[in-house]
Amino acid sequence: DTEVTQTPKHLVMGMTNKKSLKCEQHMGHRAMYWYKQKAKKPPELMFVYSYEKLSINESVPSRFSPECPNSSLLNLHLHALQPEDSALYLCASSPIAGAITQYFGPGTRLLVL
Amino acid sequence: EDKVVQSPLSLVVHEGDTVTLNCSYEVTNFRSLLWYKQEKKAPTFLFMLTSSGIEKKSGRLSSILDKKELFSILNITATQTGDSAVYLCALSGTYKYIFGTGTRLKVLA
Repeated sequence: DTEVTQTPKHLVMGMTNKKSLKCEQHMGHRAMYWYKQKAKKPPELMFVYSYEKLSINESVPSRFSPECPNSSLLNLHLHALQPEDSALYLCASSPIAGAITQYFGPGTRLLVL
Repeated sequence: EDKVVQSPLSLVVHEGDTVTLNCSYEVTNFRSLLWYKQEKKAPTFLFMLTSSGIEKKSGRLSSILDKKELFSILNITATQTGDSAVYLCALSGTYKYIFGTGTRLKVLA
């Protein structure tokens, strides 16, 4: 299984809502990543988890809260988002942090109204 | 500050043409340079380059890294409409990837 899955595929939420994005991999990878990608821009790193511990937080606003409950799962909790947070949110994993290739999930397209 | 710049930003060609995409970088301490193809959703992996001067090939695609001049190129020969996508290069460092700006390629039938 060389797949990273993400749910939901699409999400529309209001600025007062609380929602969560989920990411799962069963490749035994010990590093997982959240990226944000705006239209016509490259992915921007948000968070890196290594061995279930948060290793990097790229100065992401606190309205985004990551969680890594176990080595296969990565969540991104969303609260009080702004319309400018609308983007494609990509999850990725790699065997270890910074190693070789990252495998990307299909992404969640988020629209904040 | 680490920087990865791709050129051109966008490119329109006809089927059968050959294209060369460029990726130049100012990044210290990176492990490898990677090329990805991104269509509608997630980037898909094309090549990983770690050594200078060694060409990687996969079908009509090939890529090479020049660590002295700090750039990489991705060549696509005999382009097809299915090659239309955004091509991203990324540098893999400790813990994270730094993505380039991307080149948007459109191949016309």
